[in-house]
Amino acid sequence: AQSVTQLGSHVSVSEGALVLLRCNYSSSVPPYLFWYVQYPNQGLQLLLKYTTGATLVKGINGFEAEFKKSETSFHLTKPSAHMSDAAEYFCAVKRVAGGGNKLTFGTGTQLKVEL
Amino acid sequence: NAGVTQTPKFQVLKTGQSMTLQCAQDMNHNSMYWYRQDPGMGLRLIYYSASEGTTDKGEVPNGYNVSRLNKREFSLRLESAAPSQTSVYFCASSEARGPGAKNIQYFGAGTRLSVL
Repeated sequence: AQSVTQLGSHVSVSEGALVLLRCNYSSSVPPYLFWYVQYPNQGLQLLLKYTTGATLVKGINGFEAEFKKSETSFHLTKPSAHMSDAAEYFCAVKRVAGGGNKLTFGTGTQLKVEL
Repeated sequence: NAGVTQTPKFQVLKTGQSMTLQCAQDMNHNSMYWYRQDPGMGLRLIYYSASEGTTDKGEVPNGYNVSRLNKREFSLRLESAAPSQTSVYFCASSEARGPGAKNIQYFGAGTRLSVL
């Protein structure tokens, strides 16, 4: 079975500071990996994904994430936080083959951006 | 440009009442999903439908039933609501099985359900 661990349920950064949200996965084979963002009272929307190829993937709104197989990690970063980045962020994994296209989500990290 | 539409947006039920949450997508996607979101627990899959005519249990199916009415619509029914079913419910859809881009799930705005 695969699982996702997001370290830190709440992260607070100053505007302009680096954003680092951590995600580690557990899977017998490297899975497909996703980051989703949820703004207040809205559904989730995709930030970025890793399937194959380049391990550093860029997403929307200046976010990027690096797949590190040796560390079983897929941490999300953004060089300079903006107030509009305040939201909840979810890491998710999907088995490469089989599994009915199901995603397994982490428990989420609430990002707060302060002036 | 509707994407995934969920109705209702809010609902309050009394214990034992029944209701159906509706979901429709206009992206011609094959697969559809129902999740519940609870504080500190992320999203948990209730049921999913890999394609029209099929449904399967997810992680937390007890107390729920689903119907894949057609390719567009996937409904979630609570036959006898319980306070433990107070949650935010999300419907999602994705194109199909297969690699990469086709695995992206698109989410509705959610239904906020309170069971008293």
